[in-house]
Amino acid sequence: AQSVAQPEDQVNVAEGNPLTVKCTYSVSGNPYLFWYVQYPNRGLQFLLKYITGDNLVKGSYGFEAEFNKSQTSFHLKKPSALVSDSALYFCAVRTIYGNNRLAFGKGNQVVVIP
Amino acid sequence: GAGVSQSPSNKVTEKGKDVELRCDPISGHTALYWYRQSLGQGLEFLIYFQGNSAPDKSGLPSDRFSAERTGGSVSTLTIQRTQQEDSAVYLCASSLVGGLGSGGSYEQYFGPGTRLTVT
Repeated sequence: AQSVAQPEDQVNVAEGNPLTVKCTYSVSGNPYLFWYVQYPNRGLQFLLKYITGDNLVKGSYGFEAEFNKSQTSFHLKKPSALVSDSALYFCAVRTIYGNNRLAFGKGNQVVVIP
Repeated sequence: GAGVSQSPSNKVTEKGKDVELRCDPISGHTALYWYRQSLGQGLEFLIYFQGNSAPDKSGLPSDRFSAERTGGSVSTLTIQRTQQEDSAVYLCASSLVGGLGSGGSYEQYFGPGTRLTVT
């Protein structure tokens, strides 16, 4: 069964500093990987995805993520965090086989300190 | 264009009552998903509809939960005899679906959710 681990409950970072949100996954076969962001009282918004090709994926709002097959990781990064980046971030994975259901991590609360 | 919409946005109900939650997916999206988000928990998959295929109900937590999708578009999630542990935000998502030959996998687009409170 596919699964995702987001080891940190909360990530605190000062505004302007680099932001990293960690994600590791477990699947049978090649993974499709996704990052979503959730602002308070809102649904999830898609940020970026890795399907194939370059390991470094660029997405919305200046975010990027690096796929590392040997470490089964897909960490989300932003070079310079903004206060408006404070939100809940979810990593998700599915395989290319079977149905399209996603397995989500528990989410990371990111707090950007002014 | 219009995104995924859900109604109601908030629902307060008494324990033991039935509730219906509605989802309108993005036009043209053939796949529709229901998830549940409880406080401090991640997203829990409930059910998945794809076109005219039989739905994947493997995530439904009990037989009090059911869902249908009419005409390949609007979906309704029904919870019978609600319990306090059913209190959560229920999220609906839709996506395009491509086969293995399509060369890709399509992201899911989420609605704003329905916050269900069972008193």
